[in-house]
Parts: sequence; structure tokens; C-alpha cells
Amino acid sequence: QQQVKQSPQSLIVQKGGIPIINCAYENTAFDYFPWYQQFPGKGPALLIAIRPDVSEKKEGRFTISFNKSAKQFSLHIMDSQPGDSATYFCAASTPGSARQLTFGSGTQLTVLP
Amino acid sequence: EAGVVQSPRYKIIEKKQPVAFWCNPISGHNTLYWYRQNLGQGPELLIRYENEEAVDDSQLPKDRFSAERLKGVDSTLKIQPAELGDSAVYLCASSLEGQGGTEAFFGQGTRLTVV
Repeated sequence: QQQVKQSPQSLIVQKGGIPIINCAYENTAFDYFPWYQQFPGKGPALLIAIRPDVSEKKEGRFTISFNKSAKQFSLHIMDSQPGDSATYFCAASTPGSARQLTFGSGTQLTVLP
Repeated sequence: EAGVVQSPRYKIIEKKQPVAFWCNPISGHNTLYWYRQNLGQGPELLIRYENEEAVDDSQLPKDRFSAERLKGVDSTLKIQPAELGDSAVYLCASSLEGQGGTEAFFGQGTRLTVV
């Protein structure tokens, strides 16, 4: 059973555009929602994370919007750059499970110059 | 500070052969994870260690997969015998668990191809 559903599967934007990646979860026990960025041949790297007690978190050009009632969260990348081209994964974990993450299926983002 | 180190980076083996992957976590990290990432998919947890103890191995196919974490530091993941469907990237991650927790850091992974 896929507990974190991610969309779209792929996304192409022009430089300066604002790609938005969406995730929905089923397990209401999840309390930690990170986004990971993965470049080809590399392991995933933490980009930004949020807990359900806030509705938005911003770090630089990256923003997470969180809707607890809808069990959805999304990543927005402001002023996207070609260097942002990568695969993005949303994830979630439950209390007491350390950072044992349930990942979404990933979104391959391409930012055109 | 060195990150999570995995070896080998790539491995090609014939089906039914054994294979082993090695992981050296970030110094001081007490929690270690092995994930499997199939092509075009997100990583899926195989096993989680807290120090030397495997606290969650429910997703590890125990008929052919085994893992160990000696002295609560390095870890090895073994497959014997390998099947075609085991072709994937095997990722190791580590974290320091305590009050508030910290992020999980991933290694570059071992890409396994079973032919």
C-alpha cells in the first residue's frame, strides 16, 4: 500500500518559473514531512522539512505548504534555475520511528535555460 | 566531515550468485538504514538499526537477504542468491537520534545489476 502519493511524475518549466510538486498521505500518524533532492548517481539529500503544526515553511527559494485537514503537502521552487533540475521526493515518518522514511515515487524536474 | 560511504559503487553479477554491500555511516550516528531504490521509484526501507540492534526488518526478504551491523558502526547487506528482480540501487543512510532528531544522510548508493 502506497502511503505517500506524489505528482506529477515529471515536470518541465522555463528558467524563472515556479514548479509545484504535490504529495498526499494516508497515515494520520505521520508527523515529519521532508523533501529530498536527488541528482543522477547521487543519494537523496534533504532539501527542506516541515512538521504538521505549521502550514508553511520557507527556506531560500524553496517553500513547503502543508494542509493537515486535506492530508496534503507541496513543494514550490521560486525563481527556478537549470541547476534545480533533479528528481524530487516527498517523504513522511511517524513518531518514534527515527528518520525511517516512507517516500513518494518522485518527480523528475527539468528547468530549461 | 565525511559523509556516508558505500562500496562498491557498481556491481554486476549473474543470477544465483551472492553479493555484499558495505556501508560506513557518519561518525557518531547511532541509527543506520538500508533502502532499496528501483529505477524511477522512491527508496523503500529494507532494515533499520539502532546501534547494533535491528529494530525494523519487516521489509527485508529474509529468505535471501541478510544484514549485520558490527559494533554499531559499519554495516553489510548481503543477497544470496541474487535474482534478476534484485537489480536496483541500494542506499545506506544514517542519523543521530535524540531529542528532536536530525535528518537522515544518504550515501551515493550501490547500483546492482543482476544478469
